[in-house]
Amino acid sequence: AQSVTQLGSHVSVSEGALVLLRCNYSSSVPPYLFWYVQYPNQGLQLLLKYTSAATLVKGINGFEAEFKKSETSFHLTKPSAHMSDAAEYFCAVSLASGGSYIPTFGRGTSLIVHP
Amino acid sequence: EAEVAQSPRYKITEKSQAVAFWCDPISGHATLYWYRQILGQGPELLVQFQDESVVDDSQLPKDRFSAERLKGVDSTLKIQPAELGDSAMYLCASSFGLAGASYTDTQYFGPGTRLTVL
Repeated sequence: AQSVTQLGSHVSVSEGALVLLRCNYSSSVPPYLFWYVQYPNQGLQLLLKYTSAATLVKGINGFEAEFKKSETSFHLTKPSAHMSDAAEYFCAVSLASGGSYIPTFGRGTSLIVHP
Repeated sequence: EAEVAQSPRYKITEKSQAVAFWCDPISGHATLYWYRQILGQGPELLVQFQDESVVDDSQLPKDRFSAERLKGVDSTLKIQPAELGDSAMYLCASSFGLAGASYTDTQYFGPGTRLTVL
């Protein structure tokens, strides 16, 4: 079975600093990986997704993630944090099941940005 | 920009009562998902529809939960009777592609319904 593990339930950075949110997956087959962002009392919004076309994936709002098979990782980064980036971030994987694909989410990492 | 609509946004109920949530996906989206998100955790898939058919409901507590998408458009999720442990955010999402090909499809989420069971 596939699953994702997000290391760190909270990450705190200063405005302008590098953002690094960690995600590791467990899978016996090439995974399809996603990062979503959730602002308070809102639904989730897709940031980016890995579909095996390229290992470095660029998403919205200046975020990017790199798929590293050797490390089974798909960490999310942004060079310079903005106050508006404060939100909950979820890593997810698509699990093939009975002819369809079931999305499985990690527990989430709360990004805190302070001035 | 088209959005997924959900109502109500907030619902407070007493245990043993029945509750229902409504979702209207983006027009033309074949696949619809219902998720439960407990505070501090990621969303957990409850049921997935392709058009009016259930594709996966393996995580749906069928003794108390039911879901339907009768005309393949909007959908209703019902809980009867509600229990204290059902307090959570219920999220609806939709995607354009068919369920069997949707592993890379972008899911569009609604704002959710926050349920509190007293």
